Amino acid sequence: KQEVTQIPAALSVPEGENLVLNCSFTDSAIYNLQWFRQDPGKGLTSLLLIQSSQREQTSGRLNASLDKSSGRSTLYIAASQPGDSATYLCAVGDYKLSFGAGTTVTVRA
Amino acid sequence: DAGVIQSPRHEVTEMGQEVTLRCKPISGHDYLFWYRQTMMRGLELLIYFNNNVPIDDSGMPEDRFSAKMPNASFSTLKIQPSEPRDSAVYFCASSPMANGQETQYFGPGTRLLVL
Repeated sequence: KQEVTQIPAALSVPEGENLVLNCSFTDSAIYNLQWFRQDPGKGLTSLLLIQSSQREQTSGRLNASLDKSSGRSTLYIAASQPGDSATYLCAVGDYKLSFGAGTTVTVRA
Repeated sequence: DAGVIQSPRHEVTEMGQEVTLRCKPISGHDYLFWYRQTMMRGLELLIYFNNNVPIDDSGMPEDRFSAKMPNASFSTLKIQPSEPRDSAVYFCASSPMANGQETQYFGPGTRLLVL
């Protein structure tokens, strides 16, 4: 059974600082790895999807890397803004996603 | 497109009552997923459908839970009888899932409280 762990559970940074969120998974034979964002009381929004054959994906200020051999992924958010405050979840799988518990980010103005 | 639509958004019921949650997926999406989110267990997949057919229901916790998808634009998740431990946020998601390379689009969720 795939286990997904996210560290840290919570993070508070001043505006403008770069964010680094970590995700680890136990089974390296993954299909895809995805990063989602969840705002309080809302559903999940997909940020980035990395296919198993890829090493990274970028979208604007967001960059996600994937190292299957070590079972790790990292989400980088450059020049953080208060609007980046949310919970970020990592998920692994194809049709059946296994989610981490998330990292709750607070960006202080 | 309006996105994935779920109703009701909030539901408060008493233990033993039947609860029905509803979902309208994004038009053209072949896959539909039901998830449950709790503080203790995080986000868990309950069941998913492909072309209205249930593919994997191994995440359904008990026989009290059932899900149907009578057509491509509607799905229900039913809990009968409900128990306090069923209190959670239930999400529906849909996806075009071409070769499993597409992401899933989540609805806003139904917050269920069983007293």
